[in-house]
Amino acid sequence: EAEVAQSPRYKITEKSQAVAFWCDPISGHATLYWYRQILGQGPELLVQFQDESVVDDSQLPKDRFSAERLKGVDSTLKIQPAELGDSAMYLCASSFRTGGVTEAFFGQGTRLTVV
Amino acid sequence: DQQVKQNSPSLSVQEGRISILNCDYTNSMFDYFLWYKKYPAEGPTFLISISSIKDKNEDGRFTVFLNKSAKHLSLHIVPSQPGDSAVYFCAATVYNNNDMRFGAGTRLTVKP
Repeated sequence: EAEVAQSPRYKITEKSQAVAFWCDPISGHATLYWYRQILGQGPELLVQFQDESVVDDSQLPKDRFSAERLKGVDSTLKIQPAELGDSAMYLCASSFRTGGVTEAFFGQGTRLTVV
Repeated sequence: DQQVKQNSPSLSVQEGRISILNCDYTNSMFDYFLWYKKYPAEGPTFLISISSIKDKNEDGRFTVFLNKSAKHLSLHIVPSQPGDSAVYFCAATVYNNNDMRFGAGTRLTVKP
């Protein structure tokens, strides 16, 4: 069964260090999302790609976060420098969009702990 | 700016009974709604959705009801099973945008 792959599963980093997460969406899925989920809250959209283009990054803290999807397939989310408040689950999701809405499929996430 | 709200952080029901999870939204532009289920250490998985042109959608034990005038939707699980114990997220989006906004989730516990 096709699934969204994310790595690493867990990451512990010191504050002020750089950290990167990788996501490989389901083959053929044009839309890719990065969400951040803080414990006890729902996923918060950070950035949405349609193929290689950013559709929505209004919630992305651009002073420290960056995201790219160069070839319109896999994607990388980077944080530099990491802060204590960045500790959260980072979820990648993808959907096959032919127009309108289709449900998104999520990866297992990367649990980030900043110490 | 919490556009999607799930005001009950937790719900506990007995096996075989009905579970009702509620969700409210504030953005009148939302016209498509989804429910996701999340087990610990896993990503959310899609459960059921409903378009604003409908007021009910049913899939097996799961039914979602939409009340557009009240900006309210609910997920009914009948009968509830212990394997349904998970966190349930409500999500809303604009049909041509595909930009999903999530509620904070409700933790459902189904007791045997």
